[in-house]
Amino acid sequence: EVRLVESGGVLVQPGGSLRLSCAASGFTFSDHYMGWVRQTPGKGLEWVGHIRDKANSYITQYAASVRGRFSISRDDSKNSVSLQMNSLKTEDTAVYYCTRVFRSQYFDYWGQGSLVTVSS
Amino acid sequence: QSVLTQPPSVSSAPGQKVTISCSGSSSNIGKNFVSWYQQLPGAAPKLLLYNNNKRPSGIPDRFSGSKSGTSATLDITGLQTGDEADYYCGAWDTSLSAVVFGGGTKLTVL
Repeated sequence: EVRLVESGGVLVQPGGSLRLSCAASGFTFSDHYMGWVRQTPGKGLEWVGHIRDKANSYITQYAASVRGRFSISRDDSKNSVSLQMNSLKTEDTAVYYCTRVFRSQYFDYWGQGSLVTVSS
Repeated sequence: QSVLTQPPSVSSAPGQKVTISCSGSSSNIGKNFVSWYQQLPGAAPKLLLYNNNKRPSGIPDRFSGSKSGTSATLDITGLQTGDEADYYCGAWDTSLSAVVFGGGTKLTVL
């Protein structure tokens, strides 16, 4: 059974930093792209970015709204993917979902989500 | 404002059929595959359809999809109260180099 479990969501002040982690199990982690999608409370889905697998050079891609502030990394030895968020803004407040990504096309598995609140 | 356009809400009676539309452009739906996601109340989204009309294992054939030009549709037949959820379409946008989503459609089964 595929499982994605996020951790690290907290309350942080504007301008602060936060790192979310996602522990994956139930599949060959190193063979898959992994990514993050966020959802503002009561609103729709927004792609944050994803990281490709080793065969595709671990290339990362990001939404324009987070490029330069957020970075995604992975540790294939630990079956984990992380989202480093810097220079946080109030509009980054959202539930962040860890996802398994099929070739940049769709998200076939989702975690339960981790709430990040950016507020003073 | 979402790049893909969906109706905010649709409704129909149990046992009936409903169609949810998703409109895009030549740089997303017109050029790439469409996927659909179901988000039940209080839950994470779940993949419903991929590559326009393919169902992952475990998704009943009551759910079907199609694509024509720059639009896609999700059809749900034999509606059940358990189908009440938010439905989102998504696609890769070649011009933006980004995944884009619709704003979501809330399905009410009356």
